[in-house]
Amino acid sequence: GENVEQHPSTLSVQEGDSAVIKCTYSDSASNYFPWYKQELGKRPQLIIDIRSNVGEKKDQRIAVTLNKTAKHFSLHITETQPEDSAVYFCAASKGSGTSYGKLTFGQGTILTVHP
Amino acid sequence: GAVVSQHPSRVICKSGTSVKIECRSLDFQATTMFWYRQFPKQSLMLMATSNEGSKATYEQGVEKDKFLINHASLTLSTLTVTSAHPEDSSFYICSAKEGADTQYFGPGTRLTVL
Repeated sequence: GENVEQHPSTLSVQEGDSAVIKCTYSDSASNYFPWYKQELGKRPQLIIDIRSNVGEKKDQRIAVTLNKTAKHFSLHITETQPEDSAVYFCAASKGSGTSYGKLTFGQGTILTVHP
Repeated sequence: GAVVSQHPSRVICKSGTSVKIECRSLDFQATTMFWYRQFPKQSLMLMATSNEGSKATYEQGVEKDKFLINHASLTLSTLTVTSAHPEDSSFYICSAKEGADTQYFGPGTRLTVL
C-alpha cells in the first residue's frame, strides 16, 4: 500500500519567515495530494490540494509543489503569522481501484511561529 | 468548503457499554465517508471506508465486530463502538468525500471509557 513520509516533524520559525514542509510518497498511482491544518483538539481543515496533472498551485500565502518523477510534494507558507501555528498533515490518494479515495497521511509537522 | 458535523463531541462511558457516533454531511451528499482514529500527538489512522448502501471496508487490524459502521443514507454514517474498553479511548474523526477525491472532516468525538 501507499506510504507517506513527512519532514520535518517540528518546525519553528520567526513571524514573517517562510516555512516549508516536505512529503514523499511511494505509490506512483497516487494522483491527489491534499494538505490539512489541525489545531489542538479540532478537526483537520483542508488548506490546499494538488492533483497530478499540475506541478504547482498557489493560494495567497500558501503554495504546493509536486514532483511526480521524484514522488514528492511540498507545502510552502510565506510571511508566516502566529495564527499559522498548528499541526500540518500531508496526504496522498489515488482515484481508482480498491483504494479509491482513501487518504494515507504523513506523520504531521508541528509548526510554531514565534512573534 | 463543505460542512461535516459529528455527534457527540465528547462521550464518557463505562467499560462494557456501546457508544454510537454520528457523522453527517450537511450541505452535500456523500456516497463515501471515512472513519479515522487519532491518538494524542499522532497522525490520523484510517479505520474503515463507509459506502452508502453497502458494507464498510475495514483496514487491516480493525475489528469489524468491534467497530460497527452503517451508512444508511447519502448524508449519514454511524460508527458504533461495541463493548467499549479503556483501550478504545481515543479521538474518532469522520470525513465525507465530495466529488472525486476531496475529503472534509467532522469535528471529532473524544471517547473516554472508564
